[in-house]
Amino acid sequence: GIQVEQSPPDLILQEGANSTLRCNFSDSVNNLQWFHQNPWGQLINLFYIPSGTKQNGRLSATTVATERYSLLYISSSQTTDSGVYFCAARSSPSGSRLTFGEGTQLTVNP
Amino acid sequence: NAGVMQNPRHLVRRRGQEARLRCSPMKGHSHVYWYRQLPEEGLKFMVYLQKENIIDESGMPKERFSAEFPKEGPSILRIQQVVRGDSAAYFCASSPPGQPYEQYFGPGTRLTVT
Repeated sequence: GIQVEQSPPDLILQEGANSTLRCNFSDSVNNLQWFHQNPWGQLINLFYIPSGTKQNGRLSATTVATERYSLLYISSSQTTDSGVYFCAARSSPSGSRLTFGEGTQLTVNP
Repeated sequence: NAGVMQNPRHLVRRRGQEARLRCSPMKGHSHVYWYRQLPEEGLKFMVYLQKENIIDESGMPKERFSAEFPKEGPSILRIQQVVRGDSAAYFCASSPPGQPYEQYFGPGTRLTVT
């Protein structure tokens, strides 16, 4: 099945800094999603982005499907951005399941 | 439009007991997925169901685990004779029928086996 790798595994920032999280996948995808898991364990949908670029406030994401990667940009980070960011992908041979990466643990310090 | 609902949010069971986890998909969604997150790990797919049908259960452990999505009512993930290794967060997701649409996740059920 499809393999999903995220980098970096851990990231520590000062409030106000910008960051880029990367997601590489091993096969062509028909679904690519980014999630934020907050410190209470809830999974928040950030982006559904199998291709192209989207923006939502301080967050934006770009997926280059032909090169099999996606990037999540966080600008002017806030302490509430802390948590784990997951990328998940779905490819046709894998059926309907999402395959998750191991996540990037983000800590934003005041 | 209410989101995906899961209950209970927290469940404590002793070894050997049964655990029943419930998931109500978003309105208009007929596809349900269950994922498990072990401590300090990412989420792993377990099973994909449509109403009255199991479509893909390739991620389910072979024994003690079962899932259903009846014509009426929520989807149920059932774990019989729980063991400590079953302690995890169990997430349910739903999506509309047809295309590989975005999956929307519920808040999860945190199962602790003592």
